[in-house]
Amino acid sequence: AQSVTQLDSQVPVFEEAPVELRCNYSSSVSVYLFWYVQYPNQGLQLLLKYLSGSTLVKGINGFEAEFNKSQTSFHLRKPSVHISDTAEYFCAVSDRNDYKLSFGAGTTVTVRA
Amino acid sequence: EPEVTQTPSHQVTQMGQEVILRCVPISNHLYFYWYRQILGQKVEFLVSFYNNEISEKSEIFDDQFSVERPDGSNFTLKIRSTKLEDSAMYFCASIAAPGELFFGEGSRLTVL
Repeated sequence: AQSVTQLDSQVPVFEEAPVELRCNYSSSVSVYLFWYVQYPNQGLQLLLKYLSGSTLVKGINGFEAEFNKSQTSFHLRKPSVHISDTAEYFCAVSDRNDYKLSFGAGTTVTVRA
Repeated sequence: EPEVTQTPSHQVTQMGQEVILRCVPISNHLYFYWYRQILGQKVEFLVSFYNNEISEKSEIFDDQFSVERPDGSNFTLKIRSTKLEDSAMYFCASIAAPGELFFGEGSRLTVL
């Protein structure tokens, strides 16, 4: 079984500042990794995913994440945030043989002017 | 772009009543899921469904829950006798191959 730990429950950040959301996972098998965003009162939207290949993954809205196998991490970054990035961000992992996702507890990002 | 659709978007029900949440997965997808998100908490796996049967279920998915694919397009989640703690957002998802679950917009269930 897999599990995901998002180390920060809340991240306040000023507009145009960089942000990093930390995610660590544990698994006994190889995994796929994902970041989802949930805007207020909306569903889950995929930001980016790591399946294989390059460990630096670029997603939508200027986000990127880096898979670090030795540290079992998949941290999400954006160099300059906008007010519209205010949302809940979820890291998720799935076993390569099982498509079921296990989610972290989420990180609330609040961007202030 | 294909999408997973869910109905209703919001349902209010009395405790003890039966509720059916409906989902139309993407047409060529083979694996279907229900997830739950209690307000302010993380998204939790409920059940997965493949080849017309449950392939895995969580401990949350007790006897009051059931899933069905009554025809070639719909995928339903039934809660037989709702409890207050069933109040949550329920997400349907489908997948055809590794890499991305497509989620619906969710159905918010409020149990009074």
